[in-house]
Amino acid sequence: QKEVEQNSGPLSVPEGAIASLNCTYSDRGSQSFFWYRQYSGKSPELIMFIYSNGDKEDGRFTAQLNKASQYVSLLIRDSQPSDSATYLCAAERDSSYKLIFGSGTRLLVRP
Amino acid sequence: EADIYQTPRYLVIGTGKKITLECSQTMGHDKMYWYQQDPGMELHLIHYSYGVNSTEKGDLSSESTVSRIRTEHFPLTLESARPSHTSQYLCASSESPGSPLHFGNGTRLTVT
Repeated sequence: QKEVEQNSGPLSVPEGAIASLNCTYSDRGSQSFFWYRQYSGKSPELIMFIYSNGDKEDGRFTAQLNKASQYVSLLIRDSQPSDSATYLCAAERDSSYKLIFGSGTRLLVRP
Repeated sequence: EADIYQTPRYLVIGTGKKITLECSQTMGHDKMYWYQQDPGMELHLIHYSYGVNSTEKGDLSSESTVSRIRTEHFPLTLESARPSHTSQYLCASSESPGSPLHFGNGTRLTVT
């Protein structure tokens, strides 16, 4: 079992729709969770981070964390074609300063 | 803007050559990391450092080595490059435990 699991996709949504990206993690000691966006051939860029159970909103993005279910999600409202990218979920391994990444979900926003 | 710099951006080199991938950051971060990523695949941690003179191997076994003589500099060296080393190498740093990683632009290495 991978430490951080994501559906590889592609997830295809029409422009203006809500895209929902999901991630599960196996280390119950993980306290910090991150969503990165990676365009093809580029390095990952931070979208959001979340430390506490519940929702965290930043513009069109909402991160959701449920530690009991070991589940993290990212919602993108009003999806734009420019949001088309691979979204990487990462969890910090039990306060070890090391981030473990999932394999990413490819999002395709259709104009 | 980039506060963490990697050079070269692209490198094509023959088998058996020694190479050093450079990584520097201007943010004063103690923690630095090297990840390896094949196209369409996940990032694998290959080396990390918690400060000067501190280096550790990551989860993915790698024939590369690293050094941390200065806070801002974390180079990665391959003594004898092989085609299996062809990949993208990403350097990152973070300010404190639980804080996000800042990534450099990466070095895409091709060994022929």
